[in-house]
Amino acid sequence: NAGVTQTPKFRILKIGQSMTLQCTQDMNHNYMYWYRQDPGMGLKLIYYSVGAGITDKGEVPNGYNVSRSTTEDFPLRLELAAPSQTSVYFCASSYSAPTGVYNEQFFGPGTRLTVL
Amino acid sequence: AQSVTQPDIHITVSEGASLELRCNYSYGATPYLFWYVQSPGQGLQLLLKYFSGDTLVQGIKGFEAEFKRSQSSFNLRKPSVHWSDAAEYFCAVVLNRDDKIIFGKGTRLHILP
Repeated sequence: NAGVTQTPKFRILKIGQSMTLQCTQDMNHNYMYWYRQDPGMGLKLIYYSVGAGITDKGEVPNGYNVSRSTTEDFPLRLELAAPSQTSVYFCASSYSAPTGVYNEQFFGPGTRLTVL
Repeated sequence: AQSVTQPDIHITVSEGASLELRCNYSYGATPYLFWYVQSPGQGLQLLLKYFSGDTLVQGIKGFEAEFKRSQSSFNLRKPSVHWSDAAEYFCAVVLNRDDKIIFGKGTRLHILP
């Protein structure tokens, strides 16, 4: 049981390049999330998904796209990289049942992205 | 607006000393409350959570937190810190199970030998 895995761990992009950050979870969680973490700013939600085929914007979605074709995978796409997207990106997942208590999120190890 | 405040950006304590990290939230109702820890270069790991019931919650690694409704606080404590506790700590809240989690900006803990 690997939990939440993210690839790559590090990446340097040039302005205008595109890339996809990969995220996979093996816990059969229905909810998945993408956050960015900037120094002193905590975590900001970029996009989230409540199940395969369903995605929605978070607090800071501009410049990003996501898809959720399977329960396990939730890739994050940067189409035209900008220096403002230099950050550490975290993927997370959780299980939410129709009723009952809220369940905590499990986080991947992160991808450190630099845009030059 | 709903918010989570961690008033201390950095805290330094000596190894073996006690620790308290502060967290306040601004919601009308009692939210779900969490503390996460992030070691350098790692993702976030859940330390403990409060949903209801006993207001003193025990977590992993010897941490505990106390929910105080009157103060809208959920402070994290540890009686004796270890050098391995050096990390960044995030308080987080969820107003209800259909809402998004909101994180505080974090408190970085430094341990003196």
